[in-house]
Amino acid sequence: QVQLVESGGGVVQPGGSLRLSCAASGFTFSRHGIHWVRQAPGKGLEWAALIRYDGSNKYYADSVRGRFAISRDNSRNTLYLQMNSLRPEDTAVYYCVRDGGDYNLDYWGQGTLVTVSS
Amino acid sequence: QTVVTQEPSFSVSPGGTVTLTCGLSSGSVSTSNYPSWFQQTPGQAPRTLIYSTNTRSSGVPDRFSGSILGSKAALTITGAQADDESDYYCVLFMGSGIWVFGGGTKLTVL
Repeated sequence: QVQLVESGGGVVQPGGSLRLSCAASGFTFSRHGIHWVRQAPGKGLEWAALIRYDGSNKYYADSVRGRFAISRDNSRNTLYLQMNSLRPEDTAVYYCVRDGGDYNLDYWGQGTLVTVSS
Repeated sequence: QTVVTQEPSFSVSPGGTVTLTCGLSSGSVSTSNYPSWFQQTPGQAPRTLIYSTNTRSSGVPDRFSGSILGSKAALTITGAQADDESDYYCVLFMGSGIWVFGGGTKLTVL
């Protein structure tokens, strides 16, 4: 079965950096784009970034562009999100989400919590 | 800046029908926005209900349906049940790889 498992969350000071990982299994990872979607405590979902199946194209929300970098290692079936210059408003649960094709965000991980606080 | 709008809250009686909508702060939602709908209960990851306007995800009961109504995307729940009480989110594809979520609707079944 399709599984996405996020890791790497934790507490970081404002201005700091953190790298999240998303380990995929149960499907051919190299054939699918993957999104990062985040959710601040008690708030709604926010789309953050997308990487195409082969890493050729990457897209970002305005709120993270220039600070966050999405990447993937298809040999390791793993997605990454490098987060730099973190701000308190980046505090959220970060989910990786498979793009199933046909504009279908079909499988979600359980999320990893990032807290930006001094 | 594009804002995707949803009703903050809605209520429905058990067995009733409710339609939640997803609009744009300027302009109309069309099938080219490939609207999707997600259900989320507290402490859980979202679950995909509908994608590409009206295609149900695997395992989603047919009392959930998606459509375009006027200038908005719509999620209709017929025969509402107690466990439909959740937060519902839509997302729209804005082109050039960019997606935008709505603020979500808290649905109460009472």
